[in-house]
Amino acid sequence: NAGVMQNPRHLVRRRGQEARLRCSPMKGHSHVYWYRQLPEEGLKFMVYLQKENIIDESGMPKERFSAEFPKEGPSILRIQQVVRGDSAAYFCASSPQGAGEKLFFGSGTQLSVL
Amino acid sequence: GQNIDQPTEMTATEGAIVQINCTYQTSGFNGLFWYQQHAGEAPTFLSYNVLDGLEEKGRFSSFLSRSKGYSYLLLKELQMKDSASYLCAVRGGLTGGGNKLTFGTGTQLKVEL
Repeated sequence: NAGVMQNPRHLVRRRGQEARLRCSPMKGHSHVYWYRQLPEEGLKFMVYLQKENIIDESGMPKERFSAEFPKEGPSILRIQQVVRGDSAAYFCASSPQGAGEKLFFGSGTQLSVL
Repeated sequence: GQNIDQPTEMTATEGAIVQINCTYQTSGFNGLFWYQQHAGEAPTFLSYNVLDGLEEKGRFSSFLSRSKGYSYLLLKELQMKDSASYLCAVRGGLTGGGNKLTFGTGTQLKVEL
């Protein structure tokens, strides 16, 4: 029973390029969450999705960032025209259903913007 | 919104007991979680409290007082491998952020010989 799978593990982009981060939730989980973690800081909530629906995107920057969780396939966090400030670890977590369930985290994608 | 405070760093001795405190102010409350995170790795679940009182699980215990907005994580018989960051997280209520967890900045615990 595989855990939450994120890829790539490390991603290097130059300023202005696009970054695509993928997350496959645990089997049977239909809720996906994306968090960003900067060095020496806590995990900051970005977005909460269910299949084909964005439930809460209150933590997403208004520009350049988008997320989806299609009916088939992994959840994707997309960052367009990356800037150095986007360099961070991006963690995905999943849960089987809504309130009352703990989150299971993936190993994260470390994004480095040159 | 949510505000969560926990100490930045703590140091303890192998074999000892350490208590990591967490205070929170939230617009809604639907449970408090503790996670452990080793450097460069995924946070892993340790404990969950939704009612007042103590939850014990092996060497780890967690306490919650909702009226005081206060929790602590107690680690007994410390081992070197317990050196990690310990994250306190609160889940908001129906009007306080739904199902998402809001995390504190974490307490970096260093266990020494």
